[in-house]
Order: sequence, then C-alpha cells, then structure tokens
Amino acid sequence: GENVEQHPSTLSVQEGDSAVIKCTYSDSASNYFPWYKQELGKRPQLIIDIRSNVGEKKDQRIAVTLNKTAKHFSLHITETQPEDSAVYFCAAKRDTGRRALTFGSGTRLQVQP
Amino acid sequence: GAVVSQHPSRVICKSGTSVKIECRSLDFQATTMFWYRQFPKQSLMLMATSNEGSKATYEQGVEKDKFLINHASLTLSTLTVTSAHPEDSSFYICSARDQTGSEGEQFFGPGTRLTVL
Repeated sequence: GENVEQHPSTLSVQEGDSAVIKCTYSDSASNYFPWYKQELGKRPQLIIDIRSNVGEKKDQRIAVTLNKTAKHFSLHITETQPEDSAVYFCAAKRDTGRRALTFGSGTRLQVQP
Repeated sequence: GAVVSQHPSRVICKSGTSVKIECRSLDFQATTMFWYRQFPKQSLMLMATSNEGSKATYEQGVEKDKFLINHASLTLSTLTVTSAHPEDSSFYICSARDQTGSEGEQFFGPGTRLTVL
C-alpha cells in the first residue's frame, strides 16, 4: 500500500516569512495529492490539491509542487500570517474511485506575530 | 463544496457500552465513505472503507467485530464502537466522495470526540 512521509513535524516562522512542508510517497501509481489544514478539534480542510499531470499549482499565497520522478511534493505558504497556524497534512491516493487517502504524519506550523 | 455531517459531535460513555456514530452526506450521494481515527497529536489513520449495500473493508489491525460499520443508503454510514474501552477514546472522522464530482476530492465530517471512562 501507499506510505506517505512528511517533514518537518513542527515548523515555527515569523509572520511574513515563507513556510515549506515536504512529503514523499511510495506508490508510483498515486496521482492525487491534496493538502489539508486542521485546527484543533476540527475537521481537516482541503486547502489545495494537485494531480500528477501537472507539476505546480498556485492559489494566492499557497502553492504546491510535485516531482513525480522523485515521488515527492511540497506545500509552500508565502507571506505567512498568524491565522495560518495549524496542523497541515499531506495525503496521496490513486485516483480510482473507492480508494482512501493515505495521510502524512502532519506538520504543526506556528506563525509568530 | 459538498457537506458531510456527523452525529454526535461529542460523546462520553462508560466502559463496556456501545456507541453509534452517524455520518451523512447532505447534498450528494456517496457510494463510498471512509472512517478514520485520530489520536491526539497524530495523523488520521484509516480504519475502514464503507461501501453502500455491501460489507465494509477493514484495514489491517482493525477489529471488524468491534467496529461495526453499516452503509445502508447512499447518504448514511454508521460506525458502532462495541464494548468501548478507554483505549478506544479518540477523534473519529468520516469522509465521503461525491461520486458525481471531481475525481479524488473527499469531504470530511466534523468528527466525533469519543471519551470512554
């Protein structure tokens, strides 16, 4: 099955700085890679996703890059704000209907004002 | 995006009792729903895949007789934790895929915090 590794486990940045979180996956057939933000006691919220037919996707301050050859993908948050503080999870799956997501271990991001 | 609800949001029970958690897709049909468990400061771990009209598929190490899953309709899946013990205390989250929507994207319920005394 799929195995997703994520690092760092914690990340502290100053407000306005950029934050980068990296994930690697094991199943070369995986082709859907979402990123979730989870605040304490709440559900994961999809913030951006990428499919294996593209190498990069951007949405305002958030971007995701995918290197399918190396089997890794990264989340980039620019101009961080205190409200970006949360736990971020990467995930991967084969996009074939009934498969579940395999999550990374999570990164706790703390943005210092 | 699509909406998934869960009920109850929080439950406290005595050891040995059974607890039922409902997961509903409110504005779409979901032939497949997923049940995850999340311990404090840990990631979401898949417990089982719930398929409408058929038996659930359980992940390795998850006892199917302890975590009963029923997916009787296209909008409802239930997870029953039978004879709950303190080690079952966790955050249980379901997700559902909109079969008519964008491939891959899953929508999560708000979660159920189970505390077993």
